[in-house]
Amino acid sequence: DAMVIQNPRYQVTQFGKPVTLSCSQTLNHNVMYWYQQKSSQAPKLLFHYYDKDFNNEADTPDNFQSRRPNTSFCFLDIRSPGLGDAAMYLCATSRNTYEQYFGPGTRLTVT
Amino acid sequence: QQQVKQSPQSLIVQKGGISIINCAYENTAFDYFPWYQQFPGKGPALLIAIRPDVSEKKEGRFTISFNKSAKQFSLHIMDSQPGDSATYFCAARGFGNEKLTFGTGTRLTIIP
Repeated sequence: DAMVIQNPRYQVTQFGKPVTLSCSQTLNHNVMYWYQQKSSQAPKLLFHYYDKDFNNEADTPDNFQSRRPNTSFCFLDIRSPGLGDAAMYLCATSRNTYEQYFGPGTRLTVT
Repeated sequence: QQQVKQSPQSLIVQKGGISIINCAYENTAFDYFPWYQQFPGKGPALLIAIRPDVSEKKEGRFTISFNKSAKQFSLHIMDSQPGDSATYFCAARGFGNEKLTFGTGTRLTIIP
């Protein structure tokens, strides 16, 4: 089945230790998104790629970066995680401006 | 103007009853309104969506009602079941815009 895959599902990192989360998709969608979701809150868009064009949200901290080496893969890098970065990180994809499909998420814990 | 206001924040409904969640928006440029269902520890799943050229869309037990003049839309879950217990998010997107604006979410609990 075509899908959005996120690895790992659970990630524990130490305060200040860089971490990378990955997302892959078999839907061949040209748009990929990264969201941060904290408990009992709506997903908050961090950035997205429209094809190769990177779009950063104005309030996304500089601590968060992303790479999209090809259509299928996208990575979220957190350079120096703080305790406040503990959250669920969601990857989503869409074809142009149509429906967005979310992956299962990566739960990040910062110790 | 970009906000989508969702209510109630939480909702308890008896099994077999009708669950109703409401959303309101200000931006008249919004032209696509999806609803997402999210179970604990999972990613949001697209449930049903509507465009403003229709006033109602039904898929199984789930119905979206849309009132363009009032700039409101709602999700109705008929014959609510315990398996429907989840958090529901409404969202909206403008024409030609690939980004969604989410409501704040409603935690729905269906009790036996």
